[in-house]
Amino acid sequence: DTGVSQDPRHKITKRGQNVTFRCDPISEHNRLYWYRQTLGQGPEFLTYFQNEAQLEKSRLLSDRFSAERPKGSFSTLEIQRTEQGDSAMYLCASSFGFGYTFGSGTRLTVV
Amino acid sequence: AQSVTQLDSQVPVFEEAPVELRCNYSSSVSVYLFWYVQYPNQGLQLLLKYLSGSTLVKGINGFEAEFNKSQTSFHLRKPSVHISDTAEYFCAVSERNNAGNMLTFGGGTRLMVKP
Repeated sequence: DTGVSQDPRHKITKRGQNVTFRCDPISEHNRLYWYRQTLGQGPEFLTYFQNEAQLEKSRLLSDRFSAERPKGSFSTLEIQRTEQGDSAMYLCASSFGFGYTFGSGTRLTVV
Repeated sequence: AQSVTQLDSQVPVFEEAPVELRCNYSSSVSVYLFWYVQYPNQGLQLLLKYLSGSTLVKGINGFEAEFNKSQTSFHLRKPSVHISDTAEYFCAVSERNNAGNMLTFGGGTRLMVKP
């Protein structure tokens, strides 16, 4: 399967802990996106990379959030000092042009 | 900034009946338009997209949508639904001057197909 892979699929963490998610995009895709989806809502844009450069960040991405894409391949999204409001599905997508391919997401539950 | 409104949060319909899921958008510039489907605990799958040209766009699984610039709408239709179409459907826009092609999504419409 050469789709977008996200790991882990599910993560339960205690409030105040740090968590890190990984996304492996489709290898030919130069753009990689992170979106957050809360229950009953549509996805909201967080940040995107073109190759290894992080080109835009949403105001939703507080200073507790950081994303990297070293060498323009996989990406990681880290949340420090998690809060209950961070509970959501974190979706990664990659694209070359207009064809987004989404991963299955990482569901984060902060207890 | 652009926004997307999906007027119906839930649409119940009987199997083999036609369905229309409504989407309206707001933007100060020209946009590209998309419909995605999401099955439980999965990511989003692209159904169809409007970039330019014919305003009637055909997608996968028998779905189609029509771009209406004057009404700023992009409603999704299917002439005959199946049980397997039960899912959440999201309309999304991307502004043409947006180099990164970031998407703004609507709140979603849950299509519930009943036997």
